Amino acid sequence: AQKVTQAQTEISVVEKEDVTLDCVYETRDTTYYLFWYKQPPSGELVFLIRRNSFDEQNEISGRYSWNFQKSTSSFNFTITASQVVDSAVYFCALSEARRGGSEKLVFGKGMKLTVNP
Amino acid sequence: DTGVSQDPRHKITKRGQNVTFRCDPISEHNRLYWYRQTLGQGPEFLTYFQNEAQLEKSRLLSDRFSAERPKGSFSTLEIQRTEQGDSAMYLCASSLSELQYEQYFGPGTRLTVT
Repeated sequence: AQKVTQAQTEISVVEKEDVTLDCVYETRDTTYYLFWYKQPPSGELVFLIRRNSFDEQNEISGRYSWNFQKSTSSFNFTITASQVVDSAVYFCALSEARRGGSEKLVFGKGMKLTVNP
Repeated sequence: DTGVSQDPRHKITKRGQNVTFRCDPISEHNRLYWYRQTLGQGPEFLTYFQNEAQLEKSRLLSDRFSAERPKGSFSTLEIQRTEQGDSAMYLCASSLSELQYEQYFGPGTRLTVT
C-alpha cells in the first residue's frame, strides 16, 4: 500500500526565513510520481511540482526548491526567503505510474505554514 | 482556458436528504477524479473516470454514493440518505490521460449535514 507522511503539522516563521517541509513516502512500485500541492485559505489545491521516481535531479523554481532522495524515500520542499503569501497548507502526494496517465493521488495530512510579517 | 469548476460551492442539508454535486473538468481533459477532504486531513480518493468509464472506486465510496460521467464531460456525485459523517469538502480534479500525471483541482463543494 502507498503512504505519505508529513510529520510536521504546523510551522510558523517570520518573513524572509527559509523553511523546509518534509515528506516521506512508502510504495512498493518501482515507478511512481511525487507531487506537491498548495492549499491557500481560499481552499483550492494548486499544483506546484511533479517528480518522476527515475529522475532524482533536484529542482529549483524561483524561491522554491525540491530535494528528492530515493534512498531515504523523501521528497522535501524548501521555500527560501518566505513571504506572507506563502501562508497555506502544503500537501505532498504520491501516485502509481502506469501507461495512460494519472492514477489516484495518495496525500499526506498536510503541513500548515504561517508566515508572519 | 477555464479551470475545473464545481457547483454548488456550499451545500447545507438535513440528515437523510439526498444531494448531488456537479463537476466540469478542464476541456479536453478525459480523466476526472473525485476526492473527499475532512478538516485537518489530506484529500482522500473516492473514484475516477476516463471519459465515461468509471475505472476505480475506493472502499470509502459506500453504496449511498454514486458517481456518473454520462457523456465523458461533466460528472455528478450523488449522496443518498446523507449522514453527519458525510460532512466534508468534495473535490473534483481532472487531467489528460496521455503522459500528463498532474491533476488540476476545482474549488470544491463544502457539504454540511445537520
